[in-house]
Amino acid sequence: EAQVTQNPRYLITVTGKKLTVTCSQNMNHEYMSWYRQDPGLGLRQIYYSMNVEVTDKGDVPEGYKVSRKEKRNFPLILESPSPNQTSLYFCASSFRGLNTEAFFGQGTRLTVV
Amino acid sequence: GEDVEQSLFLSVREGDSSVINCTYTDSSSTYLYWYKQEPGAGLQLLTYIFSNMDMKQDQRLTVLLNKKDKHLSLRIADTQTGDSAIYFCAESPHTDKLIFGTGTRLQVFP
Repeated sequence: EAQVTQNPRYLITVTGKKLTVTCSQNMNHEYMSWYRQDPGLGLRQIYYSMNVEVTDKGDVPEGYKVSRKEKRNFPLILESPSPNQTSLYFCASSFRGLNTEAFFGQGTRLTVV
Repeated sequence: GEDVEQSLFLSVREGDSSVINCTYTDSSSTYLYWYKQEPGAGLQLLTYIFSNMDMKQDQRLTVLLNKKDKHLSLRIADTQTGDSAIYFCAESPHTDKLIFGTGTRLQVFP
């Protein structure tokens, strides 16, 4: 089954404790991205990757890192989480191109206390 | 700048039509999209429209595009309780990039 898998689904952590949210897709998509969803703000792009070893900042990259060592995986790293990073995070992937469908993971609800 | 706006809430009675509206700012967007987010799930593509079209119909869904006013709408005919979800409008001003609206929460009551 074609899917984007994120882990964990839920995470509560403390300020400053490094964490990684994993994302994996099995559709051989070149393009992957991370979004955060906050009430009243919709989805905002954090980072994206057009292919292996190619990553770039989205609209709200501060406090986040990513890596793309393999085509299928695109982990999101929070080196020193802060409470303002409490949010719902989505990973998405798609083929590259002007009109391609983006496939989303189930989401990771992160709470930083 | 890139900005997509939607109203936050819509409540309709089962069987009625729902109309969700969206305004966008980037006239270079070649495609415009509607995504649906059901509770506890990620977003799924519902439908899209090419920018040189005025209307697209797909079963119960009708998408209307007014390019002059940069206004996009999604009409759901015969709305059912299973249509209750958050609906996101999105524009694509650059290849690969999607700009999402704030989302409209549709609540369908019996």
